[in-house]
Amino acid sequence: GAVVSQHPSWVICKSGTSVKIECRSLDFQATTMFWYRQFPKQSLMLMATSNEGSKATYEQGVEKDKFLINHASLTLSTLTVTSAHPEDSSFYICSATSGTGPYNEQFFGPGTRLTVL
Amino acid sequence: AQKVTQAQTEISVVEKEDVTLDCVYETRDTTYYLFWYKQPPSGELVFLIRRNSFDEQNEISGRYSWNFQKSTSSFNFTITASQVVDSAVYFCSLRLRNTDKLIFGTGTRLQVFP
Repeated sequence: GAVVSQHPSWVICKSGTSVKIECRSLDFQATTMFWYRQFPKQSLMLMATSNEGSKATYEQGVEKDKFLINHASLTLSTLTVTSAHPEDSSFYICSATSGTGPYNEQFFGPGTRLTVL
Repeated sequence: AQKVTQAQTEISVVEKEDVTLDCVYETRDTTYYLFWYKQPPSGELVFLIRRNSFDEQNEISGRYSWNFQKSTSSFNFTITASQVVDSAVYFCSLRLRNTDKLIFGTGTRLQVFP
């Protein structure tokens, strides 16, 4: 099956710093990538959808300037949490699809656990 | 509005017991897709099954089986003879036609004790 990787798998940073998380599709070209956040013992909440070469579409309530998403190539999308604060601590998960259509499955990365001190 | 409800927050069973995880969805669309994912403690979501709205045939895969009932808008998941390795959070999700967005339920945490 298709493989999606994330890097880093975990990161601890000080409040006020920025953190970049990478999401890569290893064996397929991802036309669309999704970013989710998951708080402990909660469900996945979609943050944004990004298509290669275009601006990301953010869900209601997600700050565009806080969570910068770049999808510069068909195999890489990045999420940058700018000026991170403790309330940004969460588990961030990306997923990728290779096309469109009803059978277009999302393949999920292993997630990145962010802890902001 | 679209919604997925997993009313069972946590379920605990002893190994070899059968367990059913409930999923109820809401949508006015006639074409949609339902999914189940497993999230083990490592965090990575594992795809288990996809079901199309026009295919109500139940499915069995090893110890896993799924019961799709459009009349009750339910897509329940049964694990037969549960094992400790089945311990995880299980998410049911819904996707509508013409969109790639997945709507997740709140998940059911399954603990299987030896």
